[in-house]
Amino acid sequence: ETGVTQTPRHLVMGMTNKKSLKCEQHLGHNAMYWYKQSAKKPLELMFVYNFKEQTENNSVPSRFSPECPNSSHLFLHLHTLQPEDSALYLCASSQEIRYTEAFFGQGTRLTVV
Amino acid sequence: SQELEQSPQSLIVQEGKNLTINCTSSKTLYGLYWYKQKYGEGLIFLMMLQKGGEEKSHEKITAKLDEKKQQSSLHITASQPSHAGIYLCGADEGSGSWGKLQFGAGTQVVVTP
Repeated sequence: ETGVTQTPRHLVMGMTNKKSLKCEQHLGHNAMYWYKQSAKKPLELMFVYNFKEQTENNSVPSRFSPECPNSSHLFLHLHTLQPEDSALYLCASSQEIRYTEAFFGQGTRLTVV
Repeated sequence: SQELEQSPQSLIVQEGKNLTINCTSSKTLYGLYWYKQKYGEGLIFLMMLQKGGEEKSHEKITAKLDEKKQQSSLHITASQPSHAGIYLCGADEGSGSWGKLQFGAGTQVVVTP
């Protein structure tokens, strides 16, 4: 238990669906992240939020839309995804964005059909 | 962007034997992080090494940072089944790019009886 909770753990969605991934941390951290992990590829940083402000968008397609309403919650809204978007989506948080360990959630296994 | 190359990609070690994993960066290392991941799950933080040639140990795991070689190594002494998993190194890109934690592709460790 890292203190970072992701829901749902598994999600199957059609290409025309709209769904959201949720991440929650009560560690008092100020930075939150979304990562994508595909088979046989390194973890890819998608978005970074620092004090609720987005500081990094790593050229992520607009069909992925993040939302950070407060420092404890982070969402990833999904719409019109492609099968190649199937992956493990990991959320992480850290006290700040420099020289600090990140705590990861268990991930959401997303399958797009 | 910074690239991290891990070697080997995978290794099989007999219980009780030692093992070493290497992580080489294409750029100067500022913060180097080691994580462990069980398949399909989140990452568990192991150690962080900062610039300056640090060495840290926790239980049977030792990590070193060679800033001149832009390389870090993770050494496990007398491996146990609990050491099985995927080990990932991650690195900060440093000033101006805080929060952009990049990861290597991972090293899969299998511990046999």
